[in-house]
Amino acid sequence: GDSVTQMEGPVTLSEEAFLTINCTYTATGYPSLFWYVQYPGEGLQLLLKATKADDKGSNKGFEATYRKETTSFHLEKGSVQVSDSAVYFCAMTGANSKLTFGKGITLSVRP
Amino acid sequence: NAGVTQTPKFQVLKTGQSMTLQCAQDMNHNSMYWYRQDPGMGLRLIYYSASEGTTDKGEVPNGYNVSRLNKREFSLRLESAAPSQTSVYFCASSPGGSGNTIYFGEGSWLTVV
Repeated sequence: GDSVTQMEGPVTLSEEAFLTINCTYTATGYPSLFWYVQYPGEGLQLLLKATKADDKGSNKGFEATYRKETTSFHLEKGSVQVSDSAVYFCAMTGANSKLTFGKGITLSVRP
Repeated sequence: NAGVTQTPKFQVLKTGQSMTLQCAQDMNHNSMYWYRQDPGMGLRLIYYSASEGTTDKGEVPNGYNVSRLNKREFSLRLESAAPSQTSVYFCASSPGGSGNTIYFGEGSWLTVV
């Protein structure tokens, strides 16, 4: 069945460090891929998405490229800020529109 | 600017009590969802409704029932609450279709004692 695997956390970085959060997926067909972010005490917000192979989603300095050959959608940011501290979820939807999530990873950025 | 609205935001229940979580969306979306979020487990789908008049089980449906009352509203009912149902519950909606964004409510914190 469909599944999403994220790297284990938590991750702690210093401000202005480079961020990579790995995400791989297993799916039949061609899913759409998403990164959602959850700030403390809030619901989930869409960070970025890509709907077909080689698409790059980007938002707020974050980027992720849909790589069909490696079934991956890794999240990157060149210079993190304290305000990026949050929980990040990789997710996918298949033909049935159900959103399948990874387990999430907590990012803490220290000044 | 309402989007997806769910109530209540916080609730404490005793084991065996029943309650209903309400959810409404004002975006004319076809599909609606209920998820639960537990530490280390990510978000798991309880039930979803692909369109008005249909509901389907997700990954963890046991102990829950849902009603798609109309296009706007999708409620989640716990008939006999158990401590294992202590969780944060999120309602969500989307236009439907694989590439469309799913929008989430702010969550309902439920504790069963």
